[in-house]
Amino acid sequence: DPKIIQKPKYLVAVTGSEKILICEQYLGHNAMYWYRQSAKKPLEFMFSYSYQKLMDNQTASSRFQPQSSKKNHLDLQITALKPDDSATYFCASSQRQIANSDYTFGSGTRLLVI
Amino acid sequence: GQQVQQSPSSLVLQEGENAELQCNFSSTATQLQWFYQSPGGSLVSLLSNPSGTKHTGRLTSTTVTKERRSSLHISSSQTTDSGTYLCAIDNTGANTGKLTFGHGTILRVHP
Repeated sequence: DPKIIQKPKYLVAVTGSEKILICEQYLGHNAMYWYRQSAKKPLEFMFSYSYQKLMDNQTASSRFQPQSSKKNHLDLQITALKPDDSATYFCASSQRQIANSDYTFGSGTRLLVI
Repeated sequence: GQQVQQSPSSLVLQEGENAELQCNFSSTATQLQWFYQSPGGSLVSLLSNPSGTKHTGRLTSTTVTKERRSSLHISSSQTTDSGTYLCAIDNTGANTGKLTFGHGTILRVHP
């Protein structure tokens, strides 16, 4: 059974629309993250949350808003979508207080904005 | 400049050969992890190794913290090892969990 569930797996959106990417983790981890992987770029950190509180935000645009309704949920709302937002978005989690805790990644949501 | 540099960018091996992947980083890292990304895109953590040498299965990682470099040795490569190997560091010192990734080494193992 997948330990981190991301939905949907694939998403096609029209420029200017709004989408929500879903992430749930069942590892009992206390920290969750969003990363983005665009073509020819390394994985980029976007947000980190711990106990439903924002720890770090490296996303320049306010169009990207994380939403945490439960400790093991961290969704990503993207508004006013642009073609440049096309990428694979990965959710991840770890146990923050444990030094060098392994990160577990979800399988990603591939977003294409047309 | 790029904070995490990986080399080589790609590597082709015959099954059974060994691979040596390098990761150099530009600032002190409190955490360093090696990941495997499958051709389908999923990411798996291989080793967490901020310093010293660690082994797991056919993988050995050696990190020399003060020289800001880490290596990943894959012994007796198999075709199923094909994919992208990513090095990632936490160099913020702020314990926010932010990892900075390199571009990766694409490994192809031929039968």
